[in-house]
Amino acid sequence: QVQLQESGPGLVKPSETLSLTCAVSGYSISSDYYWGWIRQPPGKGLEWIGSIYHSENTYYDPSLKSRVTISVDTSKNRFSLKLTSVTAADTAVYYCARHCSGGSCFSNWGQGTLVTVSS
Amino acid sequence: DIQMTQSPSSLSASVGDRVTITCQASQDISIYLNWYQQKPGKAPKLLIYDVSNLETGVPSRFSGSGSGTDFTFTISSLQPEDTATYYCQQYDILPSYTFGQGTKLEIK
Repeated sequence: QVQLQESGPGLVKPSETLSLTCAVSGYSISSDYYWGWIRQPPGKGLEWIGSIYHSENTYYDPSLKSRVTISVDTSKNRFSLKLTSVTAADTAVYYCARHCSGGSCFSNWGQGTLVTVSS
Repeated sequence: DIQMTQSPSSLSASVGDRVTITCQASQDISIYLNWYQQKPGKAPKLLIYDVSNLETGVPSRFSGSGSGTDFTFTISSLQPEDTATYYCQQYDILPSYTFGQGTKLEIK
């Protein structure tokens, strides 16, 4: 059974870069499947950030595209999120997830990690 | 961008009731509509994918239907453990993924 676990700083200063990692166990990330990041501001709904496929094909939400990078480290079986120039609006619980086999949905999720942007 | 309009935003129902949530897309999304359940402090859980397919292990009281732009999620007989927020989610071939605003379901 695949398991995902997010990690990274819980507090980031405005204008700095948010960096999170998702450790994957129970499945090789270099095999098939898309891997993605979704966030949820406190008390609000879900927002897709972006996804990666086969370590090199990346897809981002247009509203975040200029600030987001998703990458894969196959040697450590994990993938990462970097979001630059953060503001308070980026405060959210960040989830990593594995897409469904067809890519259209998210079948396996990490528990989520709260990142607060504040000075 | 495809927009998703989910309704109602909240509802309260009794154990045993039939509950329906709707999701409308701003344009035809074919079969690429999924439903999730999220309990407080937890990650979302996929319940139904591609309109009407039940994810493994999900109780059969949950179901989905629809096509094109209009979709429905139904709980046939509400149980106490179904208290949660439910989200629809569409997939566009770009790819892009958009969630509905969510429906908070409470037990009377």
